[in-house]
Amino acid sequence: EAEVAQSPRYKITEKSQAVAFWCDPISGHATLYWYRQILGQGPELLVQFQDESVVDDSQLPKDRFSAERLKGVDSTLKIQPAELGDSAMYLCASSLRQGGYEQYFGPGTRLTVT
Amino acid sequence: QKEVEQNSGPLSVPEGAIASLNCTYSDRGSQSFFWYRQYSGKSPELIMSIYSNGDKEDGRFTAQLNKASQYVSLLIRDSQPSDSATYLCAVRGRTGGFKTIFGAGTRLFVKA
Repeated sequence: EAEVAQSPRYKITEKSQAVAFWCDPISGHATLYWYRQILGQGPELLVQFQDESVVDDSQLPKDRFSAERLKGVDSTLKIQPAELGDSAMYLCASSLRQGGYEQYFGPGTRLTVT
Repeated sequence: QKEVEQNSGPLSVPEGAIASLNCTYSDRGSQSFFWYRQYSGKSPELIMSIYSNGDKEDGRFTAQLNKASQYVSLLIRDSQPSDSATYLCAVRGRTGGFKTIFGAGTRLFVKA
C-alpha cells in the first residue's frame, strides 16, 4: 500500500540550532502539504505545494522556516534557528491534486526543542 | 468563532454502543468534508470523506452532512475499545485560498 514517508521520526535539538525534515509523498500525488500540530490542537497548514510551486505559505513563519520541493516529488522543511515554541509534530500529507481530494498523512516528525 | 468546531470530549461510550461525533463549520461555501482518526502520538488516518448532503456508510462508520445547517457528523456503530482515539473533522472551504481547516478533535473512549 502506498504511503507518505517522513524522516526523521523524532528530533531533539537545542534552541538556535537548525533542523530539517524530509517528506516523500505517495507516488503520483502532485500536491504536498506540511502541517504543524501542537498537542491538543488540529493540524495547521504551514505550506502547500502543487508540483514544485508553492500554492499557499501564508502561515509559514518565513523569518525562520523554509520549504522546497525542487523536482516536484520529495520535499524538505527547514527551521533555522529553532525556538522553544517550535516543539510540535510536523506532518507531511499528499493528495492526488489540489481541490477537495483526500489527503493522506505520513507518520510525522516529533520535534522537541530544548 | 472557530472555523471548524468540535466538542473536545472526552466522549465515553460502552463497547458495542453507537458513538456520535459532531462538527460544525463556519464557511457556508465549503464543499469537501473529511473525518480522520488519530491515535495518541500517531499521525491522522483518513476514515471518511463526504461531499454531498446525506449519509455515507463505510463498514461501521457513517458520515452525515447537512450543508444548510453547516453540520457534519460521524457515527461509529458497534464501538470497540480499539476505536478509542481522537477524531478530527476537516473542512475544505472557500476562504483562505480553499485551505483545508481541521478542528481540534474529539477524544473518544470506548469502555470494555
